[in-house]
Amino acid sequence: GESVGLHLPTLSVQEGDNSIINCAYSNSASDYFIWYKQESGKGPQFIIDIRSNMDKRQGQRVTVLLNKTVKHLSLQIAATQPGDSAVYFCAETTNQGGKLIFGQGTELSVKP
Amino acid sequence: DAGVTQSPTHLIKTRGQQVTLRCSPKSGHDTVSWYQQALGQGPQFIFQYYEEEERQRGNFPDRFSGHQFPNYSSELNVNALLLGDSALYLCASSQAPLQETQYFGPGTRLLVL
Repeated sequence: GESVGLHLPTLSVQEGDNSIINCAYSNSASDYFIWYKQESGKGPQFIIDIRSNMDKRQGQRVTVLLNKTVKHLSLQIAATQPGDSAVYFCAETTNQGGKLIFGQGTELSVKP
Repeated sequence: DAGVTQSPTHLIKTRGQQVTLRCSPKSGHDTVSWYQQALGQGPQFIFQYYEEEERQRGNFPDRFSGHQFPNYSSELNVNALLLGDSALYLCASSQAPLQETQYFGPGTRLLVL
């Protein structure tokens, strides 16, 4: 079925280290990708997005990399903080603003 | 700037009952999408409403229906509830026609007993 997969279900890092969360997507026709952060008991929070005509996009402490050749997406978080602890989802769509297909999520745990 | 709001926050129903969940989109947004998120899973797309019509639908049975009002708010209705309908129901809004990023509300936690 449709799915966006994640390589690592859990990731534990030390505060101040950089974090890398990976995602494999299945639909080569997907042209828009989003990373969301979901804290316990809350809805997904937009972090950063990227269109298929780009291979890198940077935000504040976050960078998303897109490799269309191998259908791979990654989220890099610089100087990870305890407040970054959450579940991170990648999502894809072939119609920007339409149906989003989410992966299962990676839980990021930051040790102080 | 008000974000996406949803009500109620929590709900407990029994099998066979019907439930209505409500969503108000982010200010300036006119498109509403609904997702179901089972525990430990990513959200699954139910449907999307724009201009008071269902524009896209995911793989959910007809027991799931919705409505969008002229003020862009939306309702999700689920009939004949099953135990498996227990989940977090998320509403997301976006702005057509650019259809930019979907922003999510806090969700409604539904428990079916």
